[in-house]
Amino acid sequence: DQQVKQNSPSLSVQEGRISILNCDYTNSMFDYFLWYKKYPAEGPTFLISISSIKDKNEDGRFTVFLNKSAKHLSLHIVPSQPGDSAVYFCAARKGTGANNLFFGTGTRLTVIP
Amino acid sequence: DAGVIQSPRHEVTEMGQEVTLRCKPISGHNSLFWYRQTMMRGLELLIYFNNNVPIDDSGMPEDRFSAKMPNASFSTLKIQPSEPRDSAVYFCASSNGGLNTEAFFGQGTRLTVV
Repeated sequence: DQQVKQNSPSLSVQEGRISILNCDYTNSMFDYFLWYKKYPAEGPTFLISISSIKDKNEDGRFTVFLNKSAKHLSLHIVPSQPGDSAVYFCAARKGTGANNLFFGTGTRLTVIP
Repeated sequence: DAGVIQSPRHEVTEMGQEVTLRCKPISGHNSLFWYRQTMMRGLELLIYFNNNVPIDDSGMPEDRFSAKMPNASFSTLKIQPSEPRDSAVYFCASSNGGLNTEAFFGQGTRLTVV
């Protein structure tokens, strides 16, 4: 059963506008969340993360929001750039002692110049 | 550091053959993960090791799959016999196992079983 879900397989956004990628999870034991970015023929690379004690983490153009009550997180990219076009994976980890990541199925973002 | 190194990058094999995928984690990392990427399930954890010991192999699909980590700098994922439905991209990742740390991925091995 998929514990981390990305219900939008794809998203297209105009350059300069905001991209919002969504992720839902089912396991309340998750306490650390990550976003990875993947280009074709490459491995996923870490983008940004957030601990469950926070509700927002910002790094440049990238901001991750966490809503624990809704078991929902989102990644905002603003302004979007053509180089942001990639597949974005949401991931979650369960507490201490278990450091394996549970991934969603990914959302393919296309930023249109 | 060169990052996580996987070999081969591409593998094409016939059904029934044995396939071995290799991984060299980042030096100093004590956790190693094998993932499989499919359209339906995204990145699916197959097995992970902590300090060379398999911790959770519940994601290994069948007995045809096996993984070893004989030392801190090398791991293998073996499929014997391979089947067409095993065709996917297999990723190896490593981390230092600390709290709130990310895993670093290799470039993956694209396996095609014909």
